[in-house]
Amino acid sequence: GAVVSQHPSRVICKSGTSVKIECRSLDFQATTMFWYRQFPKQSLMLMATSNEGSKATYEQGVEKDKFLINHASLTLSTLTVTSAHPEDSSFYICSAGRDGQGALDTQYFGPGTRLTVL
Amino acid sequence: QKEVEQNSGPLSVPEGAIASLNCTYSDRGSQSFFWYRQYSGKSPELIMSIYSNGDKEDGRFTAQLNKASQYVSLLIRDSQPSDSATYLCAVAGGTSYGKLTFGQGTILTVHP
Repeated sequence: GAVVSQHPSRVICKSGTSVKIECRSLDFQATTMFWYRQFPKQSLMLMATSNEGSKATYEQGVEKDKFLINHASLTLSTLTVTSAHPEDSSFYICSAGRDGQGALDTQYFGPGTRLTVL
Repeated sequence: QKEVEQNSGPLSVPEGAIASLNCTYSDRGSQSFFWYRQYSGKSPELIMSIYSNGDKEDGRFTAQLNKASQYVSLLIRDSQPSDSATYLCAVAGGTSYGKLTFGQGTILTVHP
């Protein structure tokens, strides 16, 4: 298999608080993990690429100080939404790239985290 | 021009019919092509990957790639109501090596 988990699956928080989302590859090692955001009726938008042991690479328009990414091991990446506001409410999805499978680009997605900021 | 474009949909087909989903991409250097299925409120699930020109079959699904025309398609044979979902075309390689660029998705409805 190629199982990716996310925790929590759903979170509701007050405006101004920080929320941490964990992404784990359960049965393989992932040098690279990706964080996406999806608003209702829209496609996935890549926020950042997370590489184990190095700083994340953020896409244009994504605030790196607001969306903190840590990829401390080959099976875990975390996304922290700092000082969350209602406009940050979205579906956050991580994916993990499975190396050595003949296609580095193949990504397996976690189940997603639905964030609601009140 | 969007980097990855899918036929706008929504697409509605009767149960048992063939559903045809299309996707074009702008980066001629793209090397990897994927179809994901996404049910409402869920994350995408990989259905097919294709890297070479031609057809690739997996059960009821056939992916077709034509790099000269920068075109990739997905055929679903014997469509079932459980196939009703949003189908996302994703492309990687070229100028976005290692990253996926998604199309906007096509909503497919298979009615009994």
